[in-house]
Order: sequence, then C-alpha cells, then structure tokens
Amino acid sequence: EDQVTQSPEALRLQEGESSSLNCSYTVSGLRGLFWYRQDPGKGPEFLFTLYSAGEEKEKERLKATLTKKESFLHITAPKPEDSATYLCAVHAFYGGSQGNLIFGKGTKLSVKP
Amino acid sequence: DAGVIQSPRHEVTEMGQEVTLRCKPISGHNSLFWYRQTMMRGLELLIYFNNNVPIDDSGMPEDRFSAKMPNASFSTLKIQPSEPRDSAVYFCASSPPNYHYEQYFGPGTRLTVT
Repeated sequence: EDQVTQSPEALRLQEGESSSLNCSYTVSGLRGLFWYRQDPGKGPEFLFTLYSAGEEKEKERLKATLTKKESFLHITAPKPEDSATYLCAVHAFYGGSQGNLIFGKGTKLSVKP
Repeated sequence: DAGVIQSPRHEVTEMGQEVTLRCKPISGHNSLFWYRQTMMRGLELLIYFNNNVPIDDSGMPEDRFSAKMPNASFSTLKIQPSEPRDSAVYFCASSPPNYHYEQYFGPGTRLTVT
C-alpha cells in the first residue's frame, strides 16, 4: 500500500535556528512529490513540486530536496511567520490510471522569537 | 485574483439533516477536487472532476455523499443524511490545465454534526 510518512509530527524552533522536515514515501511509481503549507483555519497553499531524485527547489528560506525514498524541507534561519503545518503529498502512477495525491499528516512547525 | 471560494465557512447541523457545501473554482482551472481533513486521517480526497465530469469518486465514503459540477464555475458536495462522524473540515481545490497536481485550495468549510 502506498504511504507517506512525515516526521517529526511537531517541531519547535527558535528564530534563526535552521532545521529540516522529513517526508518518506513508499509508492509503486512516483510521478511527483509536492509540498504545501497550511496556516490555522486555512486551506493548504502550494509550495513546490519535485519530479526526480536529486532535484531541488528554493523559495525564500525554504529548500526542498528529493531522493528515491524521501524528501526534505530545509528551513534556513526561520522567522515566526514560517510557523505553519507543512504537508507533503505524492502522486503515484498506477498502470494506466492517472492516480491521485496521497497526503502525509504534516509537521506542525512553531518558530519562537 | 480571486482564489477558490467556499461556502458556508462553518456549518453546524443535527444528525439526519441534509448538508450542502458549495465551491467556486478559480476561473480557467479545469480540475476540481473535494477533500476532507480530520486529525485522525489527515487530508483525504473524496472526488475529483475534470472538465465538469466526475473522474474518480472512489474516496466518497458511502452513498450518503454525492457531488455535482453543473458548470465550470460551481460545484456542490451534499451529505444526506448527515452523521456525527462526518464532522470535519471539507476543502475544495482546483488546478489549471496541464498542472493537475498543483492544486489551489479554498478556505474550507468546518462541518459539525451533533
């Protein structure tokens, strides 16, 4: 069964303390891996798409990387406004089926000033 | 640009009542998705439409749930009759042509069934 596991479930950082969030997946055929940010009371907001191992994407203090079994979201010198839940999702290929996104349960990041 | 619009934002109803959730996707987007989010199960896809046609409804929990998309700018998710276990946040999302998985989510409808 296809699975997406995110760790840790929650992460508390001091402002400026860099760290990484992990998304590990087991799918039969990865077509793409997606990172979303979700603020309390809001819908997820699209951040990045990664398609192949070795690929990297950056946006401000965030950098996403992909290997054959996991993805990391690196946060460099975070600020309080980076506090949110970060969701990872994978699109897996099922033979002739288009497949759908499978979401992890997210990592809740809190950045204290 | 207006994002995905959902209504109502909050709905409290009693068990057995009919509930209708509404969604207006982003103009120009041709795929529309309905998701449900709970603490226990996370974000789950219920159904998605492509060019107003339902493509995959395998995530719809049971016959009490139904969804329609009569035109490119409107969709509904109906629960009849509602049950307490349906309590969750329901999200609608849309995506543009050729970028099916870069989905833009609405603010969600928080449903409470008592």
